[in-house]
Amino acid sequence: DTEVTQTPKHLVMGMTNKKSLKCEQHMGHRAMYWYKQKAKKPPELMFVYSYEKLSINESVPSRFSPECPNSSLLNLHLHALQPEDSALYLCASSQDRGFYQETQYFGPGTRLLVL
Amino acid sequence: KQEVTQIPAALSVPEGENLVLNCSFTDSAIYNLQWFRQDPGKGLTSLLLIQSSQREQTSGRLNASLDKSSGRSTLYIAASQPGDSATYLCAPYNQGGKLIFGQGTELSVKP
Repeated sequence: DTEVTQTPKHLVMGMTNKKSLKCEQHMGHRAMYWYKQKAKKPPELMFVYSYEKLSINESVPSRFSPECPNSSLLNLHLHALQPEDSALYLCASSQDRGFYQETQYFGPGTRLLVL
Repeated sequence: KQEVTQIPAALSVPEGENLVLNCSFTDSAIYNLQWFRQDPGKGLTSLLLIQSSQREQTSGRLNASLDKSSGRSTLYIAASQPGDSATYLCAPYNQGGKLIFGQGTELSVKP
């Protein structure tokens, strides 16, 4: 099974709301990722977790707060977002061999609209 | 800073044609390179991963090559089908621990 699941599929939120995106995998992968993708653009890396520790933060604004409660689960907490944060948010996972990385498997994404 | 370029940006072909998608990258210090496809509004599907020590990788009608020294990779699709219509993304994995994506090639295969 090479499935990464993401919930919800769609999310509409106001600029004062707090919401969370959830990502889950049961492939035993120890690296998990959040990407943001705007229309007609490639994915942009936001965060990387390795063995449940944050290893890369691509200077993402603090209104995005990642969390990795266990090796199978990755959350992205959203607070006080701006309309320009509307995008497809993708989660991915992979085996983590340190500097060496294997295939990244992506989830279907959460389509976020900020009003 | 790694920069990835994919040519062409868009391609439309009749069903049955063989085609080649090109990817070039500026920093040859990569560990591997992945090719993905993405259907509109969907997540990414991994097609092939080529290790830096490999020159080719094949899966079904797909063949990907890698020339690390010249900073190039190609994805060859044989006997294209309408179901191959999607955006194809090339992404080298560099020593900074990140996949760096190209802008993609939008492929349309006409019946």
